Amino acid sequence: EVQLVESGGVLVQPGGSLRLSCAASGFTFSSFAMSWVRQAPGKGLEWVSTISHSGGSTYYADSVKGRFTMSRDNPKSTLYLQMNSLRAEDTAVYYCAGTGTYNRGDWFDPWGQGTLVTVSS
Amino acid sequence: DIVMTQSPDSLAVSLGERATINCKSSQSVLYTSNNKNYLAWYQQKPGQPPKLLIHSASTRESGVPDRFSGSGSGTDFTLTISSLQAEDVAVYYCQQYYTTPYSFGQGTKLAIK
Repeated sequence: EVQLVESGGVLVQPGGSLRLSCAASGFTFSSFAMSWVRQAPGKGLEWVSTISHSGGSTYYADSVKGRFTMSRDNPKSTLYLQMNSLRAEDTAVYYCAGTGTYNRGDWFDPWGQGTLVTVSS
Repeated sequence: DIVMTQSPDSLAVSLGERATINCKSSQSVLYTSNNKNYLAWYQQKPGQPPKLLIHSASTRESGVPDRFSGSGSGTDFTLTISSLQAEDVAVYYCQQYYTTPYSFGQGTKLAIK
């Protein structure tokens, strides 16, 4: 069964740091680009970042560039999002999602269940 | 950056009737070298992650009921539910994956009339 399980979401103070993880199983993780997509409470979906299958290339939304760093450990089939200098507007459910491979486009599938990050004092 | 705009923001349709959601991109998402539109549709029910329904503007994902269909090319796209079922109540999003920053429409909330 294809599965993505996020973890690491907690309540953190503004200016703080946090690392999210996403454990993958049931598919060849190292063949897929991966992404983080977030959803603020009651709001729509916002793309955050994408990493290539090898980890050699990363892409970020302007809203997180310079503050967030995406990485992956292919032998462990795990994706990470290091979040620094957190702001109230980073409060959201963060989803990891598969994002394309050599024979398919960069649509988002599969998705994890999400982990909630709350930035508040 | 490509801006995705959906219409309407919300929609109420009777059971068994057709529902139509529109999505417009600020620039073409048609990749001319392979003639594919880099446009996907997702369904999100409360408390759940989004679910991929359609990619490449009109290719239904495996397991998605055939009452869901996608059409359009270039900058104008449509998601159609041919005969609304109770389980189709959800928020629907379009998304372009033509170029980063990838972008979603604001969502269309579909309800039963």
